[in-house]
Amino acid sequence: GAGVSQSPSNKVTEKGKDVELRCDPISGHTALYWYRQSLGQGLEFLIYFQGNSAPDKSGLPSDRFSAERTGGSVSTLTIQRTQQEDSAVYLCASSLVSENTEAFFGQGTRLTVV
Amino acid sequence: GIQVEQSPPDLILQEGANSTLRCNFSDSVNNLQWFHQNPWGQLINLFYIPSGTKQNGRLSATTVATERYSLLYISSSQTTDSGVYFCAVYYGGSQGNLIFGKGTKLSVKP
Repeated sequence: GAGVSQSPSNKVTEKGKDVELRCDPISGHTALYWYRQSLGQGLEFLIYFQGNSAPDKSGLPSDRFSAERTGGSVSTLTIQRTQQEDSAVYLCASSLVSENTEAFFGQGTRLTVV
Repeated sequence: GIQVEQSPPDLILQEGANSTLRCNFSDSVNNLQWFHQNPWGQLINLFYIPSGTKQNGRLSATTVATERYSLLYISSSQTTDSGVYFCAVYYGGSQGNLIFGKGTKLSVKP
């Protein structure tokens, strides 16, 4: 596609429910990043993929968070048993390779847990 | 891990003024990007600048990798320049490759 696409744009869910957030990177980009941004805060690194593998999962805040990437393209971030503190904007970025190439961001998914 | 510090944290300008934003990093990095996050939350790419100086209209950036800093210059600021400016560094450590500073929040008043 022309840019990084994330869906849904907004998601309101009840506490305790599971949610799936989707990221469709720029075609041909092998590296994919997930970040979380709480209101008025900076970007918190969650996980990155090189192809389908995730060399670094250290940023996932708890075992309720998981992510996968299939076919070296679309990635899904899953949050199980959502809590109110999970409310944030979840941003995805992609780049051609993991280093030394420019990263581009999607518009984000705003998650609200009520 | 690497530390990325941006200054100032907040900046208020009158329209037409110039400003300089700074990004310091604590270790050698492979590359550096500047982003503008507009009031709607979208991250806009400004510069991809491992070293040297680049210019794009009223904006320019300089990275001195050997001294571990980068500067973003905004000239003749406009209200549309308001938002948060982030620098992010590519670092080959265990935190993942693209590490962000906390940002500089810029408000340009008419």
